[in-house]
Amino acid sequence: SQTIHQWPATLVQPVGSPLSLECTVEGTSNPNLYWYRQAAGRGLQLLFYSVGIGQISSEVPQNLSASRPQDRQFILSSKKLLLSDSGFYLCAWGRGPNQPQHFGDGTRLSIL
Amino acid sequence: GQSLEQPSEVTAVEGAIVQINCTYQTSGFYGLSWYQQHDGGAPTFLSYNALDGLEETGRFSSFLSRSDSYGYLLLQELQMKDSASYFCAVKSSSASKIIFGSGTRLSIRP
Repeated sequence: SQTIHQWPATLVQPVGSPLSLECTVEGTSNPNLYWYRQAAGRGLQLLFYSVGIGQISSEVPQNLSASRPQDRQFILSSKKLLLSDSGFYLCAWGRGPNQPQHFGDGTRLSIL
Repeated sequence: GQSLEQPSEVTAVEGAIVQINCTYQTSGFYGLSWYQQHDGGAPTFLSYNALDGLEETGRFSSFLSRSDSYGYLLLQELQMKDSASYFCAVKSSSASKIIFGSGTRLSIRP
């Protein structure tokens, strides 16, 4: 069966510090991978998606970046965090855009 | 562009039936999905409709009318644990991604 791992579950970072969130998928190959951000009580904002190794599509211009160094690994990064980067970050995978997306448990990021 | 509209909040009574509506605008249609998200948790997939009609999965059913660009999620025999946010979603017509609605927060009263 397929599983998705996302860590850490909670993170508190000072403004201006770097960020690295990692997501890995097991039990499938060549998945579509997605990073979302969700503000409290709000909907899902798609940040990045990837259909293959090294292929990243960015949805929202911002100080975040994503990378896919391996087939089942998706990394969200920032060189300098802003207060506005606080939120609930979710990684998801799917077999294709018409297929259900399966989400990781999320990372709750607080910027101080 | 593409957009989805759903009510922001719905309140219902335990044991009752509730319907959450979703209307969408998209240049190409590939199906309507529904996701459930409990507070503090991650979204989980509930159902997918590619063709018109009703799909039933236990207490949950999802309906689609492509001619009306409309769908709904029907929850029967409501339980307190059904209190959550529900999102409808469609595939983007131009890219390998899904567009989510802003979500409907369902509150259930005893």
